[in-house]
Amino acid sequence: DAGVIQSPRHEVTEMGQEVTLRCKPISGHNSLFWYRQTMMRGLELLIYFNNNVPIDDSGMPEDRFSAKMPNASFSTLKIQPSEPRDSAVYFCASSLALGSGELFFGEGSRLTVL
Amino acid sequence: AQSVTQLDSQVPVFEEAPVELRCNYSSSVSVYLFWYVQYPNQGLQLLLKYLSGSTLVKGINGFEAEFNKSQTSFHLRKPSVHISDTAEYFCAVTVIQGAQKLVFGQGTRLTINP
Repeated sequence: DAGVIQSPRHEVTEMGQEVTLRCKPISGHNSLFWYRQTMMRGLELLIYFNNNVPIDDSGMPEDRFSAKMPNASFSTLKIQPSEPRDSAVYFCASSLALGSGELFFGEGSRLTVL
Repeated sequence: AQSVTQLDSQVPVFEEAPVELRCNYSSSVSVYLFWYVQYPNQGLQLLLKYLSGSTLVKGINGFEAEFNKSQTSFHLRKPSVHISDTAEYFCAVTVIQGAQKLVFGQGTRLTINP
């Protein structure tokens, strides 16, 4: 079975550019999570969805960040405009149900903003 | 709100030695507890979980953890580590009632020396 699929795996861009990260959750999973990981702040939950509906976006750092889940098999995290401090590894994870605690993570998208 | 504290940010041990990674949690209600492992350049994967029943839970790769309600702890142990256990380990908690998000600790980097 395919796991959570993220693209791109690596992205290098210049400050001010728009960045779009993509995620395909495991089929049948109802909840989707976006995390950011840095050395300084560790693993941060940015936003999560249940049945394609955003439940909590309080972790989204600024209005420059936005996330969508137009259907059960696809989600995007967009940063516009990007800044050097956005450099991090962004993980998408999915779970069968919210509150189960069993998350399946993708391999991450490493973003470098110059 | 629930929280997790991992007491050691780094733990170096020699190969074939035992190891314990410490985790304490805080919550006013009953919780589910988890340990996740992150190998270099990969996403997190579930190592083991405590939902109910026996307080000693066994996971993959020879790891086990013990839930201690009075101490509010969920320490991870392995009697004999291998070089391949080098990774970052995250303790996580979610409350049982209601659809709640998973809260992660800051992580413990386990380094195995030959």
